[in-house]
Amino acid sequence: SYELTQSPSVSVSPGQTASITCSGDKLGDKYACWYQQKPGQSPVVVIYQDNKRPSGIPERFSGSNSGNTATLTISGTQAMDEADYYCQAWDGSTWMFGGGTKLTVL
Amino acid sequence: EVQLVESGGGLIQPGGSLRLSCAASGFTVSSNYMSWVRQAPGKGLEWVSIIYSGGSTYYADSVKGRFSISRDNSKNRLYLQMNSLRAEDTAIYYCARAEYSGYDSPFAYWGQGTLVTVSS
Repeated sequence: SYELTQSPSVSVSPGQTASITCSGDKLGDKYACWYQQKPGQSPVVVIYQDNKRPSGIPERFSGSNSGNTATLTISGTQAMDEADYYCQAWDGSTWMFGGGTKLTVL
Repeated sequence: EVQLVESGGGLIQPGGSLRLSCAASGFTVSSNYMSWVRQAPGKGLEWVSIIYSGGSTYYADSVKGRFSISRDNSKNRLYLQMNSLRAEDTAIYYCARAEYSGYDSPFAYWGQGTLVTVSS
């Protein structure tokens, strides 16, 4: 079955750029999306179709997807961005999530 | 306004059955891609099942043959029938709706989740 792999954790200083990656075989041939989940809350989509932002998501969130890797980039990271982030892609008949990355803003 | 409210979770013994319900408002369930996603305590998200607007259904390998997704158009509700439950099925179960009917669609709307605990 198709798998998406994420690093368990990423740390970033406030105001700096955070990059969270998601790897999967030929992931660039699929559409990737990203969810943010804060403790005790339901997930919120922050990027879809590789690089599109839903309304209400700050411009500091951006995405890319090429080759085997999709990347979520948060520019000018703020304390409120501290959360778990999950990538997701469709594999023909199933919808896969990555294992999640905990973003810590130090 | 789109709202999803799950119910039906609880404590169940291994081997038992449970049916989860998701009450939808602000849109028509049968016209959308509807899914169940679960999250074990302290773990990541795991996609469980989906029903397309056309009625086709798909399942994760971990639940295939044990879980069944369905909808009641008259009640505008989504269901997940869970049989032969195992300890590893313990999780918060979220009902989610795709933003649009397409395979590249994200799950844009989520309920608050209902907790299922499988334990003797």
